Amino acid sequence: ETGVTQSPTHLIKTRGQQVTLRCSSQSGHNTVSWYQQALGQGPQFIFQYYREEENGRGNFPPRFSGLQFPNYSSELNVNALELDDSALYLCASSLPESPLHFGNGTRLTVT
Amino acid sequence: GQQLNQSPQSMFIQEGEDVSMNCTSSSIFNTWLWYKQDPGEGPVLLIALYKAGELTSNGRLTAQFGITRKDSFLNISASIPSDVGIYFCAGTSMNYGGSQGNLIFGKGTKLSVKP
Repeated sequence: ETGVTQSPTHLIKTRGQQVTLRCSSQSGHNTVSWYQQALGQGPQFIFQYYREEENGRGNFPPRFSGLQFPNYSSELNVNALELDDSALYLCASSLPESPLHFGNGTRLTVT
Repeated sequence: GQQLNQSPQSMFIQEGEDVSMNCTSSSIFNTWLWYKQDPGEGPVLLIALYKAGELTSNGRLTAQFGITRKDSFLNISASIPSDVGIYFCAGTSMNYGGSQGNLIFGKGTKLSVKP
């Protein structure tokens, strides 16, 4: 059984640019959640997707957006990057009644 | 908003020692989860708790869901070197069967080996 996979593993962007991060959910999992983890902190909930629709959102501005595709994979898009967006971005998948299973994340550095 | 206080922030262990860490919430949670994160990896689920008072074990790990629903603890017995890492508590006000995507995480307890 394949777990949650994320790409790329590392990324360097310049302030003001846009970035797209990708996630393939664990086999059979139809819910995908995205989290931001700053250095030395716990993960913070960005949003969740279920059946290709946003199904809950944390305290993040609209320049953070996402998509879920029919095969349950997902993308996280961040526009107008700021230095504080530098973090580890974690994707997690689950069935609706099950705990989250996380990928290894994408390390984003904004310079 | 909801906050989780996790303590201790860090601790040193010697092989064979028992370890204890806890988490308290400013509001009631209906689900508590404990994750472990190793460097360069995502959090891995250790134990899930769904009922107040529930005590659940996973090998040498034992976790309890506090009766007030505002706290949880994790114990590790007879620690071994591979226990080193960062342990996170996480909770949600959603009931079992509801979406658990929106988790509130603590700041983590970093376990290191005594020099």
